Amino acid sequence: EVQLLESGGGLVQPGGSLRLSCAASGFSLSNYAMNWVRQAPGKGLEWVSGISVSGDNTYYTNSVKGRFTISRDSSKNTLYLQMNSLRAEDTAVYYCAKGRGSRWTALYFDSWGQGTLVTVSS
Amino acid sequence: QSVLTQPPSVSGAPGQRVTISCTGSSSNIGAGYDVHWYQRLPGTAPKLLIYGDSNRPSGVADRFSGSKSGTSASLAISGLQAEDEADYYCQSYDSRLSGSVFGGGTKLTVL
Repeated sequence: EVQLLESGGGLVQPGGSLRLSCAASGFSLSNYAMNWVRQAPGKGLEWVSGISVSGDNTYYTNSVKGRFTISRDSSKNTLYLQMNSLRAEDTAVYYCAKGRGSRWTALYFDSWGQGTLVTVSS
Repeated sequence: QSVLTQPPSVSGAPGQRVTISCTGSSSNIGAGYDVHWYQRLPGTAPKLLIYGDSNRPSGVADRFSGSKSGTSASLAISGLQAEDEADYYCQSYDSRLSGSVFGGGTKLTVL
């Protein structure tokens, strides 16, 4: 059974940093395009970042480029999101999502974690 | 403001058929990129409902169907049941933003 378990969320001050983790089980995350999707309070879903199957390519939504970094550790079967220079508007529940699709432009998410809450506030 | 536009809410009585629209533009749905749909039950993570415009993953009831035309897509739910009450989101790819985009979500209420 595919399982994704996020951790690392919490309260952080504006300008601070956090690293989110997503431990995968039931599959090898290096065989799939893995992603982070977030949902701010009262808002809809927003794709944040993704990493290709090969791991050679990483993608980001414009608002986090230069601040967030996605990575994975195949030996630990874990996905990460390093978040720096955090802003109040980054406050959200962050979900790890397993990607499918024949190409990056056809990407969809067939398994999701339960999410971890990130609150950016002073 | 979401790139893909969905109605904030729809409703229907048990047994009825409802549709949820997802309107995009020439840089996403209109460019031919696939549309996918997710169901979000209260307190749970999103669940894939439809992928590649009209394909159902195994385990998803055939009461759920998807379609696409021009710059819009639709999710239809027939034989509405109480357990269908949830938030529904569409998703596609946007070439101008170079990434996945979601609709703002539609809350389905079963009367």
